Amino acid sequence: KAGVTQTPRYLIKTRGQQVTLSCSPISGHRSVSWYQQTPGQGLQFLFEYFSETQRNKGNFPGRFSGRQFSNSRSEMNVSTLELGDSALYLCASSSTGTGNTEAFFGQGTRLTVV
Amino acid sequence: QKEVEQNSGPLSVPEGAIASLNCTYSDRGSQSFFWYRQYSGKSPELIMSIYSNGDKEDGRFTAQLNKASQYVSLLIRDSQPSDSATYLCAGVSGGSYIPTFGRGTSLIVHP
Repeated sequence: KAGVTQTPRYLIKTRGQQVTLSCSPISGHRSVSWYQQTPGQGLQFLFEYFSETQRNKGNFPGRFSGRQFSNSRSEMNVSTLELGDSALYLCASSSTGTGNTEAFFGQGTRLTVV
Repeated sequence: QKEVEQNSGPLSVPEGAIASLNCTYSDRGSQSFFWYRQYSGKSPELIMSIYSNGDKEDGRFTAQLNKASQYVSLLIRDSQPSDSATYLCAGVSGGSYIPTFGRGTSLIVHP
């Protein structure tokens, strides 16, 4: 069974640009969550999608947005990139997204903003 | 505000010893807990989940949960250098779908 797949693995962007990251969850999983990980802040929750609907949202500015498709694949978009957006972006999938359901992470996308 | 606290470490143990990693949480409504291992430059890997008070064992790993004390721990028996990583504790409140992660404890197992 394939794991969670994130693309691309690495990205270098310039300030002011926008970027789109992709996440394909484990087959059969309907919940996809996105996290930002930086050395200073740890794992910060961005948002969670379940059956194409955003069900939960963290405390990030509106520049961060996402969506989920009918096949459960999810994309995350960051507009008007800032230097502080440099981070490891992780997505996690779970079957139902309920609290007692285990979540599995993808390999992550390392974004560098210059 | 829901918080999960971990000592950042590093926790240094000799090969073959028991490594004890601890985590406390502020939300009494938390019902589910997870331990993830993260190697440097890699993504977190789920190693244990625990939902009820007591111990849960899986190979060399034992997770312990004490809801009265709001305390979760992970014991690694016969520690190996390959166990050297950051261990993240996460808790989920009842009615929530999203785990709150601690900042992680760095474990170093030296030969």
